[in-house]
Amino acid sequence: GAGVSQSPSNKVTEKGKDVELRCDPISGHTALYWYRQSLGQGLEFLIYFQGNSAPDKSGLPSDRFSAERTGGSVSTLTIQRTQQEDSAVYLCASSLGLAGLSYEQYFGPGTRLTVT
Amino acid sequence: AQSVAQPEDQVNVAEGNPLTVKCTYSVSGNPYLFWYVQYPNRGLQFLLKYITGDNLVKGSYGFEAEFNKSQTSFHLKKPSALVSDSALYFCAVRDREGSNDYKLSFGAGTTVTVRA
Repeated sequence: GAGVSQSPSNKVTEKGKDVELRCDPISGHTALYWYRQSLGQGLEFLIYFQGNSAPDKSGLPSDRFSAERTGGSVSTLTIQRTQQEDSAVYLCASSLGLAGLSYEQYFGPGTRLTVT
Repeated sequence: AQSVAQPEDQVNVAEGNPLTVKCTYSVSGNPYLFWYVQYPNRGLQFLLKYITGDNLVKGSYGFEAEFNKSQTSFHLKKPSALVSDSALYFCAVRDREGSNDYKLSFGAGTTVTVRA
């Protein structure tokens, strides 16, 4: 597609439920990133994919968070047993580059997650 | 470690006046520097980047930024602001060297309001 797409755009869920957030990167972009944007924390890096592998998962806030990428394209971020502090906007980005290159990241519109 | 500081939470200017949004950074090596803009309920939009070479870089919508290595700054500027420039602006840094050279670290953001 023309840009990074994310679905759903909004998600309201009850505390304790699992949620899946989807990201469809720009065609041909090998790198994919997940960030979280919240009022108190600003923009936090969560995880990065190069192809289907995730070399750095250090940004995931807890073991309730996981992510996968298949076919070098679509990625899914899963949050299990959601908590109210998980409420945030989850942003996905993609870039052409491999590590070490200067390619800028292009962001999707985000998924606004509200945990009630 | 890498980090970004945006010392001003808000910047208010009159339309037609110059606009400056400040950013300072800290990296262990040499930086890649980026500016992004976020309009309400939208994802981040890439404005410009500094990689190497000329310290003054020009980007989208008439914005430019000046890299100053001695002051570790990368201030965003626009000679004549428009009401439509009102948005949230983020500065980001990536360390050119090291194992985390794919990860962006963002500042807290600066809200720009341009009054007619």
